[in-house]
Amino acid sequence: DGGITQSPKYLFRKEGQNVTLSCEQNLNHDAMYWYRQDPGQGLRLIYYSQIVNDFQKGDIAEGYSVSREKKESFPLTVTSAQKNPTAFYLCASSWDRRNTIYFGEGSWLTVV
Amino acid sequence: AQTVTQSQPEMSVQEAETVTLSCTYDTSENNYYLFWYKQPPSRQMILVIRQEAYKQQNATENRFSVNFQKAAKSFSLKISDSQLGDTAMYFCAFMKHWKSSGDKLTFGTGTRLAVRP
Repeated sequence: DGGITQSPKYLFRKEGQNVTLSCEQNLNHDAMYWYRQDPGQGLRLIYYSQIVNDFQKGDIAEGYSVSREKKESFPLTVTSAQKNPTAFYLCASSWDRRNTIYFGEGSWLTVV
Repeated sequence: AQTVTQSQPEMSVQEAETVTLSCTYDTSENNYYLFWYKQPPSRQMILVIRQEAYKQQNATENRFSVNFQKAAKSFSLKISDSQLGDTAMYFCAFMKHWKSSGDKLTFGTGTRLAVRP
């Protein structure tokens, strides 16, 4: 089935460590996105990519990094510079800017 | 910058009845898209309905319909014949038209809906 797959579902990180969240889509979508969700808040955009080898910062990019080497993959690295990384992370994709954005099932990151 | 406001943090409705969730937004754009997403306890974001601002006709998707008032910048969601499976967090979201610069979704803070049996 076509869809957006995020892994792992749950991830624990020690202070000072970098971790990478995986996002893969087989929908042939050009655009991909990473959002962060905190309790009681809506989603905030971290990074987005319209095409391979190109990406732009969103509203809260500090402490995060991404790459887009393949159309179907858009991994997110949460670096040690991110002061408060505990949150729910959602990956999304769309055909292009004219189209609806669809979401993966999300990944929980907890700092221990 | 665009803002999206959902003024009802929580709502409750009896099964089979109708409920309306409110959303207002602020933008200087003339062309844009509006969405309602549902987030059940599984936390996956599911598209409920989409409205294009240049279309005057309100979007409808089965039991879900919107009341889009462009001049008032209002975009409410009506759920008819509420079902237990409708229990979820509902987010209103705004996106600029594709010809405008920037294409991110801007979300409201959500309304938690509980459907009572």
